[in-house]
Amino acid sequence: NAGVTQTPKFRVLKTGQSMTLLCAQDMNHEYMYWYRQDPGMGLRLIHYSVGEGTTAKGEVPDGYNVSRLKKQNFLLGLESAAPSQTSVYFCASSPGGGYTFGSGTRLTVV
Amino acid sequence: GEDVEQSLFLSVREGDSSVINCTYTDSSSTYLYWYKQEPGAGLQLLTYIFSNMDMKQDQRLTVLLNKKDKHLSLRIADTQTGDSAIYFCAAYTGRRALTFGSGTRLQVQP
Repeated sequence: NAGVTQTPKFRVLKTGQSMTLLCAQDMNHEYMYWYRQDPGMGLRLIHYSVGEGTTAKGEVPDGYNVSRLKKQNFLLGLESAAPSQTSVYFCASSPGGGYTFGSGTRLTVV
Repeated sequence: GEDVEQSLFLSVREGDSSVINCTYTDSSSTYLYWYKQEPGAGLQLLTYIFSNMDMKQDQRLTVLLNKKDKHLSLRIADTQTGDSAIYFCAAYTGRRALTFGSGTRLQVQP
């Protein structure tokens, strides 16, 4: 039972490049979330989804897009990466309560 | 919206008890959670408490909730070096997603 799997684990991007972070869960959870973690700032919600085909903005959505075409997958896209998006990105899923987190993607934008 | 505050750092000696404190602002928070993050890893759910409870004990962990003061604490008895990590408090109001504090780094001195 894998839980929540994030790919890739590490990535270095140049300013202006695009990329997609993939989150996959095998627990049949309805809710999925993308957070970013920066030193001293805890976790900030980027986007979330309350079910297949739905997405909603979180606290810091600018510069990111998401899609949830399948219940088990939640994709986070950066269309034109900026150095301010250097961070550790965490995906989480939930049946409607406590979260299960992935192990994170460390992204550096140079 | 909800705001969750934690102190940034706590240092204790091995074998002592650790108490990590958290305050939140939204009195309609229904569930309050404690997560643990070890270096390079995702967040792991430690325990949670429902808002109609004052206390919850789970082996070495004791959670105390003071709803009047909107104060939550996590006590770790007989703290071990393996307990060294960042501990996050999180509050859920049912409206969107968990709101996390900025985390308390617990350092356990041998």
